[in-house]
Amino acid sequence: EDQVTQSPEALRLQEGESSSLNCSYTVSGLRGLFWYRQDPGKGPEFLFTLYSAGEEKEKERLKATLTKKESFLHITAPKPEDSATYLCAVQTRNNAGNMLTFGGGTRLMVKP
Amino acid sequence: DAGVTQSPTHLIKTRGQHVTLRCSPISGHKSVSWYQQVLGQGPQFIFQYYEKEERGRGNFPDRFSARQFPNYSSELNVNALLLGDSALYLCASSQTGGVNTGELFFGEGSRLTVL
Repeated sequence: EDQVTQSPEALRLQEGESSSLNCSYTVSGLRGLFWYRQDPGKGPEFLFTLYSAGEEKEKERLKATLTKKESFLHITAPKPEDSATYLCAVQTRNNAGNMLTFGGGTRLMVKP
Repeated sequence: DAGVTQSPTHLIKTRGQHVTLRCSPISGHKSVSWYQQVLGQGPQFIFQYYEKEERGRGNFPDRFSARQFPNYSSELNVNALLLGDSALYLCASSQTGGVNTGELFFGEGSRLTVL
């Protein structure tokens, strides 16, 4: 059974304090790994897609990396507006269509 | 351009009742997926439809059903509601229904409370 585990569950940072969020996965045949951001009361918003180990993607203060067992979302000099829940999801060869298996998320709070 | 729209945004039902949730995808998107998100957890896949055909079904009981209409809008139906069905129901659309399309566009969800 495909499993996605995110850590930590919650993370409090001061503005400007860089850190990383972890997403570890156990799947049969990874097709893609995806990062989403979810604000309270909203649906998830797509951030990145990673397909193969060694791949990296960047967007503003966020950088996503991928290995064969895990992915990291690095946040450099975060601002209060980066506060949100960050979700990791995988798409695998076991599943038809574009089904995603999500982790439980990391709730990030950035204090000014 | 309008994003994914869902209705109703909030609703309260009692155990044993039936509920219908509706979703309109982004214009031009032919695939609609439904996810259930329990408070404090990540979304869990329920169904995917593409070109009005079911492409995938998650590990949910037969009380859950869905369909897609010719205009690509979709309905999610849940019968015989249980307390555990209380959750945020998310609809997501994408242009295609196949693999390597994990870039889903989510609506803001329908929050269902079962009393």
